[in-house]
Amino acid sequence: SQQGEEDPQALSIQEGENATMNCSYKTSINNLQWYRQNSGRGLVHLILIRSNEREKHSGRLRVTLDTSKKSSSLLITASRAADTASYFCATDVANAGKSTFGDGTTLTVKP
Amino acid sequence: ETGVTQSPTHLIKTRGQQVTLRCSSQSGHNTVSWYQQALGQGPQFIFQYYREEENGRGNFPPRFSGLQFPNYSSELNVNALELDDSALYLCASSQDRGADTQYFGPGTRLTVL
Repeated sequence: SQQGEEDPQALSIQEGENATMNCSYKTSINNLQWYRQNSGRGLVHLILIRSNEREKHSGRLRVTLDTSKKSSSLLITASRAADTASYFCATDVANAGKSTFGDGTTLTVKP
Repeated sequence: ETGVTQSPTHLIKTRGQQVTLRCSSQSGHNTVSWYQQALGQGPQFIFQYYREEENGRGNFPPRFSGLQFPNYSSELNVNALELDDSALYLCASSQDRGADTQYFGPGTRLTVL
């Protein structure tokens, strides 16, 4: 079974709005990462947050991690049409690069 | 661009055949991981190679096998193809087996008829 589960499965917003995606996982982790995937192509690494961190920012991205609830959220502010993609969270139990992915959130940003 | 390349881009095979997919890791990286991504799902870890040795395996049958070469490029071999093997196969390279950031290639789309 998948370690991470993203919510919602699909999200449609207007350009300029904020998009929030959530990820829940089952076991203790060393780190959690968010990736973007455009149209079934390769994954692009967005941000990594370690288990001892609670929040990280990268440009228009903000990631939070709540290890007590085993959940993370990805916020994309001021969304653009180019943000249209699938977003995946991935957990790494042993810092060994053997990530466990959820099934993703498909984000559509309408111009 | 991550510097990780995969070949071929697309491949069509029939059930029962064998296939070999190739991955060139990013310069300076000695670890390659392979993932299978079925349509509409997230990637699933197949196995990882570190310095030419298998370093962990996911829940995939033995007909999925791999190799890593001295230049750290890698191959994924699948024997006795089944219809459910149709998927996007992704490889990811990392600087070391303990590194937490992986860099993904564009993938190979395999269709089994």
